[in-house]
Amino acid sequence: DSGVTQTPKHLITATGQRVTLRCSPRSGDLSVYWYQQSLDQGLQFLIQYYNGEERAKGNILERFSAQQFPDLHSELNLSSLELGDSALYFCASSGRGGNTEAFFGQGTRLTVV
Amino acid sequence: AQSVTQPDIHITVSEGASLELRCNYSYGATPYLFWYVQSPGQGLQLLLKYFSGDTLVQGIKGFEAEFKRSQSSFNLRKPSVHWSDAAEYFCAVARYNNNDMRFGAGTRLTVKP
Repeated sequence: DSGVTQTPKHLITATGQRVTLRCSPRSGDLSVYWYQQSLDQGLQFLIQYYNGEERAKGNILERFSAQQFPDLHSELNLSSLELGDSALYFCASSGRGGNTEAFFGQGTRLTVV
Repeated sequence: AQSVTQPDIHITVSEGASLELRCNYSYGATPYLFWYVQSPGQGLQLLLKYFSGDTLVQGIKGFEAEFKRSQSSFNLRKPSVHWSDAAEYFCAVARYNNNDMRFGAGTRLTVKP
């Protein structure tokens, strides 16, 4: 158990809909990362938050947004969903300072039908 | 931005044989390097990491990796592969200040009996 909790584990929704994925980082970790893993794109970095503020942005679509709350949990919002958004979405967290080791959650499998 | 290349998409080795998975990175400063393993349906687990110091790092499950700055490489090795090592392996690079971790495309390892 990595200590990173993601909910839900599975999500099936229709095209055009909006979903929210939730991540609870390990206790004490300030950084939260979101990744998308699909067969054709591999493991893509989406966005990182550090202590509530956006720290780095990767290949995140404009239809997607994220935030980190004061209690450090994070949510990834995916809107106007398309079939191609079907993927495994991972959250990871890491500690402060020089330790950039990231611990990954089990992921949320999103299926858009 | 930093990037990682894993040249081998799929490698097959016999059980008991040695293994080397290749990883090349692109980054202007001293990188933070990682190897993660992902079993089917699971999240990513950290095998080992390099931040500084000794360029040969030992990890879990008998894996080791060597950082070679001159070759911009961080290859993963194991002297004797076990059937349970069959999985997907990801190399990653991060920046200290930004914790912006980028992953390679992954190498799928198949172990023959």
